Amino acid sequence: EDKVVQSPLSLVVHEGDTVTLNCSYEVTNFRSLLWYKQEKKAPTFLFMLTSSGIEKKSGRLSSILDKKEPFSILNITATQTGDSAIYLCAVNPMNRDDKIIFGKGTRLHILP
Amino acid sequence: SQTIHQWPATLVQPVGSPLSLECTVEGTSNPNLYWYRQAAGRGLQLLFYSVGIGQISSEVPQNLSASRPQDRQFILSSKKLLLSDSGFYLCAWSRRNEQFFGPGTRLTVL
Repeated sequence: EDKVVQSPLSLVVHEGDTVTLNCSYEVTNFRSLLWYKQEKKAPTFLFMLTSSGIEKKSGRLSSILDKKEPFSILNITATQTGDSAIYLCAVNPMNRDDKIIFGKGTRLHILP
Repeated sequence: SQTIHQWPATLVQPVGSPLSLECTVEGTSNPNLYWYRQAAGRGLQLLFYSVGIGQISSEVPQNLSASRPQDRQFILSSKKLLLSDSGFYLCAWSRRNEQFFGPGTRLTVL
């Protein structure tokens, strides 16, 4: 059965700290891995990763994929209170219907 | 550009009452459409998906049903709500490898 496991489930750090969020997965046929940030409403797209070893970067956020293990990490440097959110990892297997499998998320809380 | 709408944004309903949540997509044709539920602060559970008008696939057995009467309209329904139906309901559409979410409906069943 395809699955996505995120860790930790919850994380509390101080502003300015660097955090690393983990996502491991098991899928029969891998197409891509997606990271989303969810604050109070709908998830917003952060990154899509398809190839191992290529880092995607957006400001203080970066992500990389290792298809051999397989897992992905999401790094946030110099955290700010606005980074507080649930971070969702999802895997898109090769299926006709584009069904995406989500992990349970990591709830990140940044203390001022 | 594509836009996805959901309404209502918030809903409080008594146990046993019916439910109808609507999702519409603009700016694309023949999208794959999805309904997710998210329990408080947790991940997304896929409830239904649709690859075309009248085509609905259910992921988990439950008290809910879905319909797609038009290409860009996806409706989530229930005849009698249960307490356990409370949650945040998200509609999404997909393009290539990405899914795009609507603003969500927060449902509280009392």
